[in-house]
Amino acid sequence: DAGITQSPRYKITETGRQVTLMCHQTWSHSYMFWYRQDLGHGLRLIYYSAAADITDKGEVPDGYVVSRSKTENFPLTLESATRSQTSVYFCASSDGSGTYEQYFGPGTRLTVT
Amino acid sequence: GIQVEQSPPDLILQEGANSTLRCNFSDSVNNLQWFHQNPWGQLINLFYIPSGTKQNGRLSATTVATERYSLLYISSSQTTDSGVYFCAVGNTGGFKTIFGAGTRLFVKA
Repeated sequence: DAGITQSPRYKITETGRQVTLMCHQTWSHSYMFWYRQDLGHGLRLIYYSAAADITDKGEVPDGYVVSRSKTENFPLTLESATRSQTSVYFCASSDGSGTYEQYFGPGTRLTVT
Repeated sequence: GIQVEQSPPDLILQEGANSTLRCNFSDSVNNLQWFHQNPWGQLINLFYIPSGTKQNGRLSATTVATERYSLLYISSSQTTDSGVYFCAVGNTGGFKTIFGAGTRLFVKA
């Protein structure tokens, strides 16, 4: 049971480049989420999705684009990366039926130079 | 939006000691989770506890929703308990989750 996976685990990119972070879950959970964690801080919600083709903004959506064509995948794209987007990105998923409990992937450490 | 405050921000314990971590929130919630982020960065679910009390081994948690706080108890602490403990809450819609800043715990051998 793979659970929830993220790729790549580490990424270095240059300012202005487009980069896509991948998230895949094998639980058939309806809900999926993207968070960022900056040094010394808690996590902040970027976007979430209630089902395929349904997405909504979180606390810090600017500069990010998401899509969800399949239930199991929820990619996060930085269309033109900036240094302020250097962070650790976590994907999460939730069953959504009777509980809001979320389960997290291992994270992707992104550095924008 | 809802505000989440965790205390204390930092905590150092001798192995075997007990501790209580607190999470205060500014509005009613229908979603509250406690997580442990280990030194490798992995987020581990501890409790899903929007109300009531739960126990899992040496850990237990209580949420008093009417008074807007939750407590995480760690008994007989071990060095492997070190890391950061986060409280995360949601209210309207449930899934727009707000994390506290965390409590950083270090357990000395």
